[in-house]
Formats: sequence, C-alpha cells, structure tokens
Amino acid sequence: NAGVTQTPKFQVLKTGQSMTLQCAQDMNHEYMSWYRQDPGMGLRLIHYSVGAGITDQGEVPNGYNVSRSTTEDFPLRLLSAAPSQTSVYFCASSYQKTNEKLFFGSGTQLSVL
Amino acid sequence: DQQVKQNSPSLSVQEGRISILNCDYTNSMFDYFLWYKKYPAEGPTFLISISSIKDKNEDGRFTVFLNKSAKHLSLHIVPSQPGDSAVYFCAASAQGSSGSARQLTFGSGTQLTVLP
Repeated sequence: NAGVTQTPKFQVLKTGQSMTLQCAQDMNHEYMSWYRQDPGMGLRLIHYSVGAGITDQGEVPNGYNVSRSTTEDFPLRLLSAAPSQTSVYFCASSYQKTNEKLFFGSGTQLSVL
Repeated sequence: DQQVKQNSPSLSVQEGRISILNCDYTNSMFDYFLWYKKYPAEGPTFLISISSIKDKNEDGRFTVFLNKSAKHLSLHIVPSQPGDSAVYFCAASAQGSSGSARQLTFGSGTQLTVLP
C-alpha cells in the first residue's frame, strides 16, 4: 500500500519558471490538501479539496493553483516561481469525516533561485 | 498572529525519563486537537488526538492533556525512547463556517531529542 506519493522529492527552479508538484493517493480518500513547511512557521495550508472537481483556498494560496480531476490525484502548480516559495511542500489526504487525521506524503524540497 | 504556539523549539531528555511537550492556542473555537510526529525526510504522521469534551487521552506511552480554561495542551511520553527523537507538531481544528471542511492549524513544532 503506497499511501500518499509525492514527486519530485527535490526541485530547483529559477525565478519565473513554472512547475507542477505531483501528488497521488491510493486510499480512496475524499479529502486532499497541500501544505508548506517553513522554519518557525509550522505547516500552512495552501489549497485543499473535498472531492473530485471541488477545490478551495487555504491560508496561503497566492502563487499556487490546484485542480482535482480524479479522486486519486491532486497536483499543485506554481505559476511563476518566486524565491519566497522556497519551502518544503507536503501533500496530505484523509477520509472526509475525519479530515484532521491526515496521511502525509514524504515531501518535496523546492528551492527557487 | 499564530493561533497555535509551541514556544519551545527544542527539548532534550534522557532515555527512560518523561518528555513533556507543550502547546498553547488562542482561538476559543478550536474543539479538536492533535499531535503529529515527523522524522527527517518524511512526512508528519498522526500520533494522538483529543476532543474538547475530554481533558485526557491516553495511548500506550503517549498521553495528551487538555486544559481548556488555560487554552493549553501537553503531550507526555513515558518512558521516552531514542526512537521518539523527532519533531512534534501540535495542531487544532474548529468547525468550518457555512459547512466548509474543518481545517488544521499547526504549531511551529518542537524538536525532541532522547539521549541514550
């Protein structure tokens, strides 16, 4: 059972480049979300989805885009990377009724130069 | 303004002793609290939770205490083991407005080191 799979594990971008962080889960979870982790800031919610075709903004959505075309996949797009987006990104999923008990992927370390 | 605060960035304890990790919150609407554990190069994993209708929840070596009047919760690990060395995140959630999904607000984490 793979759980939540994130790719890539590491990525270096130049300012202004775009890219997509991939996230897939095989647990048939309705709820999926993206967090970023920064030193001294904990984990902050970027975007989330409660099911296919439904997405909503979290605490820090600016500069990011998401879509949820299937239950399994929830990609995060950086439209025009900025140094402030240097962070560790985590995808997480859960059953809708217990969406606080999140299952996290192993993270993507992103550096924007 | 951080609604969930973990004021101790790090904590070191001896193997076999008790580890106490603390967490404070400011939002009185929070009614469900969780602790997550994170090892390097891995994602956080759920450890233990507590509802606001309780003041204590126990799971093996881990116990979470909730003091609603002080808006404070703590995680006790007894006895501490070297494998417990990790970053521990406190998190809280409240009922979403207009039926929206409940979301977690995380603290900044505490690095626990258990010395052999």
